[in-house]
Amino acid sequence: QKEVEQNSGPLSVPEGAIASLNCTYSDRGSQSFFWYRQYSGKSPELIMFIYSNGDKEDGRFTAQLNKASQYVSLLIRDSQPSDSATYLCAVTPFTGGGNKLTFGTGTQLKVEL
Amino acid sequence: DGGITQSPKYLFRKEGQNVTLSCEQNLNHDAMYWYRQDPGQGLRLIYYSQIVNDFQKGDIAEGYSVSREKKESFPLTVTSAQKNPTAFYLCASSMRRDRGNEQFFGPGTRLTVL
Repeated sequence: QKEVEQNSGPLSVPEGAIASLNCTYSDRGSQSFFWYRQYSGKSPELIMFIYSNGDKEDGRFTAQLNKASQYVSLLIRDSQPSDSATYLCAVTPFTGGGNKLTFGTGTQLKVEL
Repeated sequence: DGGITQSPKYLFRKEGQNVTLSCEQNLNHDAMYWYRQDPGQGLRLIYYSQIVNDFQKGDIAEGYSVSREKKESFPLTVTSAQKNPTAFYLCASSMRRDRGNEQFFGPGTRLTVL
């Protein structure tokens, strides 16, 4: 079983729709959760992080965490073609910095006109 | 202008050669990391360093070496012992504090073995 699992996609959504990206993890001790966006040929950029159960909103992005079910999701509202990218989920059992993250293999999102 | 720089952007290596990838940050971050990404794959941790003059092996350290002599710099050497070094190499950095472990990435170095 992979430590962090994501559906590779591609996930196709029409422009203006809500895109829902999901991530499950195997380590029940995971404490910190991150979503990165990676455009083709580029390095990952941090979109959001979440530590507590529930929702965290930042602009068009909402991260949702459910530790009991061991999943974290990312919702993108009003999807734009510029959101087309691969989204990487990362987790760590640590709350402090300087520690390793475990990444999923990413979900490719395509926003269609 | 704060950030993480990596050089070179593209690197070509002959089999049997060692090469060194540069990573520099001016974010005053304590921790630095090296990841490798293969096509269609997630990121795999090679080495990380939480403080100057100290570093730990990640999941795929064999065939790689690092040093951390300065807070700003964390160079990675890909040795001839690395069997399949062609990949996209990413350097990252983060603070060391509670609830502050977000990692930020440099632009990457794409290494190709000829």
